[in-house]
Amino acid sequence: GAVVSQHPSWVICKSGTSVKIECRSLDFQATTMFWYRQFPKQSLMLMATSNEGSKATYEQGVEKDKFLINHASLTLSTLTVTSAHPEDSSFYICSARDFLNTGELFFGEGSRLTVL
Amino acid sequence: QKEVEQDPGPLSVPEGAIVSLNCTYSNSAFQYFMWYRQYSRKGPELLMYTYSSGNKEDGRFTAQVDKSSKYISLFIRDSQPSDSATYLCAMSQSNTGNQFYFGTGTSLTVIP
Repeated sequence: GAVVSQHPSWVICKSGTSVKIECRSLDFQATTMFWYRQFPKQSLMLMATSNEGSKATYEQGVEKDKFLINHASLTLSTLTVTSAHPEDSSFYICSARDFLNTGELFFGEGSRLTVL
Repeated sequence: QKEVEQDPGPLSVPEGAIVSLNCTYSNSAFQYFMWYRQYSRKGPELLMYTYSSGNKEDGRFTAQVDKSSKYISLFIRDSQPSDSATYLCAMSQSNTGNQFYFGTGTSLTVIP
């Protein structure tokens, strides 16, 4: 089946630095990708919808300048956590829907960010 | 009322048991239903994807949709310790839209 790949799977950074997470659809084109945040033992929280070639749509309460999203191609979306702080430590997951085929929604493996 | 309700558990069963996981929803426009398995510190893995009402079977897993009751189920037969994970239901109105509604997930432990 279709696969969504996410990289890196884990990252540790110092407070104040920026971290980029990549999300790729490996065998289908994804005009839209989704970014989630997940706290321990909690469900997925949608942060933003990434649109190829245009601006991302952010959910209420998500800082656009803190979480920069770029969707430059049909197979790649990136999430950059800018000036990261310890409270940004979390599990970030992307997903993409295979619109051209069955419409299934596939998730990446997730990226665990720890900000020291 | 939430769009999708799912009992968070935790649910503990002995190995070999049949597991029943359920979600209820309020929006009758939902047509596409998904079940995901999520291991700790991993992204959700798509297990079943169904359209409208009826049953779908894949190995030990059976997904059931009852649109009249707004109720979906995932059955796991001959449960294994490796099935221990959190199971998420999700649904959408179309197979091309951007709106997905997720349950909170049910934590399952299969005891050897």
